[in-house]
Amino acid sequence: GQNIDQPTEMTATEGAIVQINCTYQTSGFNGLFWYQQHAGEAPTFLSYNVLDGLEEKGRFSSFLSRSKGYSYLLLKELQMKDSASYLCAVRDGDYKLSFGAGTTVTVRA
Amino acid sequence: ETGVTQTPRHLVMGMTNKKSLKCEQHLGHNAMYWYKQSAKKPLELMFVYNFKEQTENNSVPSRFSPECPNSSHLFLHLHTLQPEDSALYLCASSQEAGDKGYEQYFGPGTRLTVT
Repeated sequence: GQNIDQPTEMTATEGAIVQINCTYQTSGFNGLFWYQQHAGEAPTFLSYNVLDGLEEKGRFSSFLSRSKGYSYLLLKELQMKDSASYLCAVRDGDYKLSFGAGTTVTVRA
Repeated sequence: ETGVTQTPRHLVMGMTNKKSLKCEQHLGHNAMYWYKQSAKKPLELMFVYNFKEQTENNSVPSRFSPECPNSSHLFLHLHTLQPEDSALYLCASSQEAGDKGYEQYFGPGTRLTVT
């Protein structure tokens, strides 16, 4: 099966920066997604990486290193509304999407 | 309605009941998915439909039966469930399934409790 690891929980202060790491071991690779899920709500798409490097979208950035099987999601200028679960998902060689268990980020005032 | 909708939002059923979950997408997509989300566990893919054809059944027990009458609607028929089937069931859609870099759009989910 596929193996996708990310930390269970992280806490940070409003205005700070938090980096959520994701490591993966999959049979083949065809892209990595990050989703945000607020409690009781649907996951919403944040970013997609298929080539190595950094993708920046406003306060959120996502990085991928395919050789290391590693990605991170960087959240800058944290706001209270960023408190949510962040899901790393990898599409394998058969184009099936597998998710990590999610990282719950708590932003404190 | 916009995006992906799911009904009901909450469902409590006994182990001998038969019920159905409904999903509708208003995005003009051609692929639809069922996922199971249990507490503290990764989202588990259950079924994939691409252009109304089932392309993935991820070893799901037969007490879960999907139906996709057209590209906009997806059902999950439930019968003789077990308490361990209690979870959040999420529907998603994307432009297509397979070798395209299309993100999936999720519905709000149905919180299912089996008693």
